[in-house]
Amino acid sequence: GAVVSQHPSRVICKSGTSVKIECRSLDFQATTMFWYRQFPKQSLMLMATSNEGSKATYEQGVEKDKFLINHASLTLSTLTVTSAHPEDSSFYICSARGDYNEQFFGPGTRLTVL
Amino acid sequence: GQNIDQPTEMTATEGAIVQINCTYQTSGFNGLFWYQQHAGEAPTFLSYNVLDGLEEKGRFSSFLSRSKGYSYLLLKELQMKDSASYLCAVLIDYKLSFGAGTTVTVRA
Repeated sequence: GAVVSQHPSRVICKSGTSVKIECRSLDFQATTMFWYRQFPKQSLMLMATSNEGSKATYEQGVEKDKFLINHASLTLSTLTVTSAHPEDSSFYICSARGDYNEQFFGPGTRLTVL
Repeated sequence: GQNIDQPTEMTATEGAIVQINCTYQTSGFNGLFWYQQHAGEAPTFLSYNVLDGLEEKGRFSSFLSRSKGYSYLLLKELQMKDSASYLCAVLIDYKLSFGAGTTVTVRA
C-alpha cells in the first residue's frame, strides 16, 4: 500500500502556542487528505477534509480558525493547531485518499499541551 | 449522526477464532472497511467490502450484508501479535465514519 508520513510524531508545547503538523504522501499524489483526532480509547473522529488547491471542508463542531489546514501541493497537507490548550491534547492522524476511496493513514502525532 | 456499533472488548486464546461484529445505520453507504490499530499507532487496512458476501484474505475474512446493515471480521489461528483494536468504518460518499473499535486481547 501507499506510504503516508507525519511529522512530528510527538510534540509537547505550552498552552497558548501554535503547533504545525505535516502530512506527506511519499509515493503517490493525493488530491484529498483527511485529518482525524483520536482521544484515548475512542475512535477516530474526522476533523476536516483537505483538498489540494482549495479550502478545507470542516466537520460540524470543528473550529476552522483554530485548526488551520493548508494543502498546497499534491503530496503535503499541514494542520496547525493555533493557541493550543490542554483540551487539544490528543492523537492527530492524517490519511490520504487512494484511487478507490481507500485511505492510507499516517503514523499519527501525539500532541500534549501543558 | 451515524450509528456504527461494535463490541468494546473481546478476549480469545492463541490459535482460536474470533468474530467481531459490526452493525451500522448510516445516511449513505459506499462500502465498509476494517482496520487494525495497535496502541499509539495509525490504523492499517485489513479489508474492504462493497458487495454482499465473504471476502477472504489469509487468516482474516470479512463479511457484509447490506440489507441487514451488518458486517463481521473473522480472525483465524489467532497469534499474540493480533492483540489490537479493530475498527469498522463505513464509507459514505468519500468519507469514512468509524465505529468505536473492538479491543481484542489474545492470551497464551
